[in-house]
Amino acid sequence: QKEVEQNSGPLSVPEGAIASLNCTYSDRGSQSFFWYRQYSGKSPELIMSIYSNGDKEDGRFTAQLNKASQYVSLLIRDSQPSDSATYLCAGRDNAGNMLTFGGGTRLMVKP
Amino acid sequence: ETGVTQTPRHLVMGMTNKKSLKCEQHLGHNAMYWYKQSAKKPLELMFVYSLEERVENNSVPSRFSPECPNSSHLFLHLHTLQPEDSALYLCASSPGTGGTYEQYFGPGTRLTVT
Repeated sequence: QKEVEQNSGPLSVPEGAIASLNCTYSDRGSQSFFWYRQYSGKSPELIMSIYSNGDKEDGRFTAQLNKASQYVSLLIRDSQPSDSATYLCAGRDNAGNMLTFGGGTRLMVKP
Repeated sequence: ETGVTQTPRHLVMGMTNKKSLKCEQHLGHNAMYWYKQSAKKPLELMFVYSLEERVENNSVPSRFSPECPNSSHLFLHLHTLQPEDSALYLCASSPGTGGTYEQYFGPGTRLTVT
């Protein structure tokens, strides 16, 4: 069974710090990974996708993928209180129709 | 959020009722999905449609019946639900299935079964 694991948190960081969110996956066939942000009572919003080993940067966000170690991470630089949300990691193998989601990590950024 | 819309946003129904959830995407995508999100549980994929054909049915009870009349519209017909079916039901769409295609979610329907 394909699994994506995340620490449920909450992860608490001070405003302006770097928040590091981690995700591990069990299926070595997983090729594409996605990070979603979900505010309380709202639907998931796509932040970033990553397909190749290494880092991918988009503004304050950096996604990191290490297929050998089967982990994906999301770094948020200069964290703001508005970044406080649950962050969902999802993975999919290239042949599959299904995204497998982790349970999410709740991030709290304190002013 | 305006790319994928869902109605109604909130629904309360009894266990003997029949209701339908509607999803519409305005992104020109070919694939649409239904997900269930319950408290304290990961997002669960229910159904996948690609070009109006169901390509995935993730062991969902028959009291949930999907319908995809065209690539822009997706319905979830509900009947004789149980209280444990209370959850946030999310629709998503993507340009295609598999590979690197990104999925975009609608705002969801908050369902309460009494």
